[in-house]
Amino acid sequence: GAGVSQSPSNKVTEKGKDVELRCDPISGHTALYWYRQSLGQGLEFLIYFQGNSAPDKSGLPSDRFSAERTGGSVSTLTIQRTQQEDSAVYLCASNMRSQETQYFGPGTRLLVL
Amino acid sequence: GENVEQHPSTLSVQEGDSAVIKCTYSDSASNYFPWYKQELGKGPQLIIDIRSNVGEKKDQRIAVTLNKTAKHFSLHITETQPEDSAVYFCAASLLGDYKLSFGAGTTVTVRA
Repeated sequence: GAGVSQSPSNKVTEKGKDVELRCDPISGHTALYWYRQSLGQGLEFLIYFQGNSAPDKSGLPSDRFSAERTGGSVSTLTIQRTQQEDSAVYLCASNMRSQETQYFGPGTRLLVL
Repeated sequence: GENVEQHPSTLSVQEGDSAVIKCTYSDSASNYFPWYKQELGKGPQLIIDIRSNVGEKKDQRIAVTLNKTAKHFSLHITETQPEDSAVYFCAASLLGDYKLSFGAGTTVTVRA
């Protein structure tokens, strides 16, 4: 079946602009994760959604970052007033609550000029 | 929180040779240790995982060993092939906890 999809695949923006990144999880997956992968770094946890529970936002690096998940499916990560240090690959993953394995999308490569 | 360190950051091996990647973790309560492989332009994909009640697990050419006393675990790839070239990430968590702590990754290049 279809895997996790993310859009856009690449995004170039100017410092100070807002960007929205989209994630479509695998159908039926109740959990959704956002990670940031900076050059030469591991995956940095950003936010976690599980069903209708309140999301775990503990990894969001600043109040410029926010995310929502509508209808328990699609999620949008929004970065306001982008800075050059926001340049990274943003990865989305999903799974069922009972699963350990996380299924990742291909990521969105964000470049802030 | 959990801190996972991974070494080496890059690894170049001749096709057919073995590759070994090592990770250490800080939280002795961690009991779930997955390994993910990320090919160019793709998201990470789980290749093998191990739980703390097991010391070693093998799947064809891939094996993972765990030393809970020393708080380290390793990935072993035998008879490497060009398609093994990728970035490999180790991670650690509490089983059932959604929050994985990842290492910084190892870029493996298999030379033909």
